[in-house]
Amino acid sequence: GQSLEQPSEVTAVEGAIVQINCTYQTSGFYGLSWYQQHDGGAPTFLSYNALDGLEETGRFSSFLSRSDSYGYLLLQELQMKDSASYFCAVRDKKGGGNKLTFGTGTQLKVEL
Amino acid sequence: DSGVTQTPKHLITATGQRVTLRCSPRSGDLSVYWYQQSLDQGLQFLIQYYNGEERAKGNILERFSAQQFPDLHSELNLSSLELGDSALYFCASSVGEGGKAFFGQGTRLTVV
Repeated sequence: GQSLEQPSEVTAVEGAIVQINCTYQTSGFYGLSWYQQHDGGAPTFLSYNALDGLEETGRFSSFLSRSDSYGYLLLQELQMKDSASYFCAVRDKKGGGNKLTFGTGTQLKVEL
Repeated sequence: DSGVTQTPKHLITATGQRVTLRCSPRSGDLSVYWYQQSLDQGLQFLIQYYNGEERAKGNILERFSAQQFPDLHSELNLSSLELGDSALYFCASSVGEGGKAFFGQGTRLTVV
């Protein structure tokens, strides 16, 4: 089956840069997504990597290395509103269909 | 607003009962996914539909079933409810079967 590992909690100060790592084990891998979820809210899409390399979207960047089964989300110029849970998710097409399997999430706390 | 609509927002029911959760995907999206999120837990993939056809299944209990209708809305049926079924149930949709999915606000189910 699939498994994803990411740190359970990360703390950083406002204005800093933080990296949230994600390692995965799966077959039929198609890509790695990142989602943000505030307490009590719905997950919102941040980025998707299907190919190796870095994707940049404003203050957020995401990186993928397929050979290492590893990716990360980089958040720059942290703001208080970035305090949330961040999930990596693997897009897996083993057996047909499109399983989007989520990791257990990393809770990011941004402090003054 | 993601464009994905879930009803109801809250549901309180007794053990042994059956409920139906409804999801209307974003206009034009053909894929619908259902997830369960228990307190302080990650998102557990339940099932995916694409254009009316079941495409992928996760750890969905036999007491749970789903379908996607010709107008692309989807329903998740939960029966013989147990206390442990209390959770947030999210529906998400995507255009195809890619890694970018849009989530509804969820249905909070409480089984008493």
